[in-house]
Parts: sequence; C-alpha cells; structure tokens
Amino acid sequence: EVQLVESGGGLVQPGRSLRLSCAASGFTFDDYAMHWVRQAPGRGLEWVSGISWNSNNIVYADSVKGRFTISKDNAKNSLYLQMNSLRTEDTALYYCAKGSGGTLVTNWFDPWGQGTLVTVSS
Amino acid sequence: IQMTQSPSSLSASVGDRVTITCRASQSISNNLNWYQHKPGKAPKLLIHTASSLQSGVPSRFSGAGSGTDFTLTISSLQPEDFATYYCQQSYSSLLTFGGGTKVEIK
Repeated sequence: EVQLVESGGGLVQPGRSLRLSCAASGFTFDDYAMHWVRQAPGRGLEWVSGISWNSNNIVYADSVKGRFTISKDNAKNSLYLQMNSLRTEDTALYYCAKGSGGTLVTNWFDPWGQGTLVTVSS
Repeated sequence: IQMTQSPSSLSASVGDRVTITCRASQSISNNLNWYQHKPGKAPKLLIHTASSLQSGVPSRFSGAGSGTDFTLTISSLQPEDFATYYCQQSYSSLLTFGGGTKVEIK
C-alpha cells in the first residue's frame, strides 16, 4: 500500500523558517515525481511545488518562488519543503502527493498524504 | 493557466444526476483531472486525462471534454458523495486547480 506521511508543521512567526518532510513507502520512490499542495483555511487547493524523479526538474508556484525550496532524497524515500521568509498567507494544511510519472509533464496526484498544518502568526 | 469551476456550490438530493463544469483559460487538450475532497481527509483522485476513471472509483462518476471545457458527472448521487470537487490541469508544469465545487445535501 502506498503511504505518504507528512511532518514538520507547527506555529511559526512571520519571517521565520520551517522544514516539512514527507516519508514515502509502498512504491519505488526513485521513479516518481513528487509534489506539495496546500489548502489555506476556508480556501481551495493550491499547488505549491513539484520535483522530478531525479531532482533535475523543479517548479514552483509564483506565490512561493524564491522563498520555498523542494528537495527529494531517494535514498531515504523522503520529500522535503524548506520554507523561508514565511508570511501569514502561507498558513495552510500542506499535503505531499505522488505524481503520476517521473517527470513534471502531465502529472496528476495520487495518492495524497493526510497533511501537516503550518500556522504563521506572531 | 486559469481554471474556472461552476457552480461554486450546489444542493442536490440522493439519486440526483449532478454535473460540474470546469473551464480552462487556454486549450489544455485532455490534460484535466478531478478530485474529491472531504473534510479531514486527503483529497482523492477520481478521474485523470479528462475521462479515465481511476481504479476503485465507482462507475457513477464520469468525466468528459477536451480543449477548454470539461465536465464531471455523478449519475446518481450517493450519501458518501457529498464533498468538494476540484479540477486540475496538467498541461502546464505550473499546475493549477479550479476553485472547487461544494456538493451539499438538499
């Protein structure tokens, strides 16, 4: 069974940093692109970032470009999101999701983890 | 690429046929996917590439369309189908979702 388990969320002040992790199991992690998707309170889903199977291709939403960094450790079956210069509008439930293939082309998300909550507040 | 869903919410009864529309700001061929999201749960893939039913998803769900206009249809609404539904384009590597359609009990 494919499982994705996020961790690392919490309460953080504006301007500070936080690192999210996603532990993957049940599939060949090396072969797949991975993504982060978030949902702010009362809002819809927003794709944040994606990384190809070998980390050679990385894409970010404009809202986080230059502040967030996605990375993938195939040896540890883990996905990460380093979030710097956090803003109150980054407050959201952050989901890790497996891409449908190895590249960032024509990706859909299946499955998703349960999410980790990030709250940015002073 | 902007994705626009309509309606943003709807009320329906068990057994009703429900159709949700998703429109892309430019042609995305058939690179359109649909998800179901219930409160406190992980989103679930229903349909990929516009009309391919994901394994394990009931056949009352169907998707259609290409280019800029797409639909998700639930042929006979069941109690477990009350949720929010999202479309997502995968034509561009900058992936985007529609705003969501909340399906509520009438």
